[in-house]
Amino acid sequence: NAGVTQTPKFQVLKTGQSMTLQCAQDMNHNSMYWYRQDPGMGLRLIYYSASEGTTDKGEVPNGYNVSRLNKREFSLRLESAAPSQTSVYFCASSGPEGTASLKLFFGSGTQLSVL
Amino acid sequence: QQPVQSPQAVILREGEDAVINCSSSKALYSVHWYRQKHGEAPVFLMILLKGGEQKGHDKISASFNEKKQQSSLYLTASQLSYSGTYFCGTEIIRKSYNTDKLIFGTGTRLQVFP
Repeated sequence: NAGVTQTPKFQVLKTGQSMTLQCAQDMNHNSMYWYRQDPGMGLRLIYYSASEGTTDKGEVPNGYNVSRLNKREFSLRLESAAPSQTSVYFCASSGPEGTASLKLFFGSGTQLSVL
Repeated sequence: QQPVQSPQAVILREGEDAVINCSSSKALYSVHWYRQKHGEAPVFLMILLKGGEQKGHDKISASFNEKKQQSSLYLTASQLSYSGTYFCGTEIIRKSYNTDKLIFGTGTRLQVFP
């Protein structure tokens, strides 16, 4: 039972490079989320997907794109990385429909550095 | 839109109690509480839905006051294992049965010493 799996765990990019962070869950959850965590800022929502086929902006969507590939997978893309995007990125999921406690399950995180 | 947590940090001795507060400028559908240990992912503690219920989890409990748009997390007889950063997450609206847009506060760092 893997839960929420994020890849890669660590990544170093140069300014202007692009990359995609992958996230997959095996719990049949409907909702998936991408957060970034910076010191003193807490967890800030980048994008979320309340169900397969839908995506919505969160608090800090600029510079990112997302794809809900299917019910299991939700990817985050940085088209042109900037030093301000240096952060720890967490993917999370919740559901499935019908559960009383719609808590979020988090992946182990991706440490991204942009030089 | 980000909820405000207070205090920002708490230092306790084992056995002491603490209260962490979370307040929102908007009406809330639900409040979540999570704990994150250093270098790890956040872990769910409890969720409170509008209705003002209080929930408990061992010696950790929480309340939700809809009218004041506030929630409080109560940690009683603290243990070393309680150390970590506590986050509240607030949900303003829910369009379906699933948890919708969940916005977290900046966190409260709790340190428990022997």
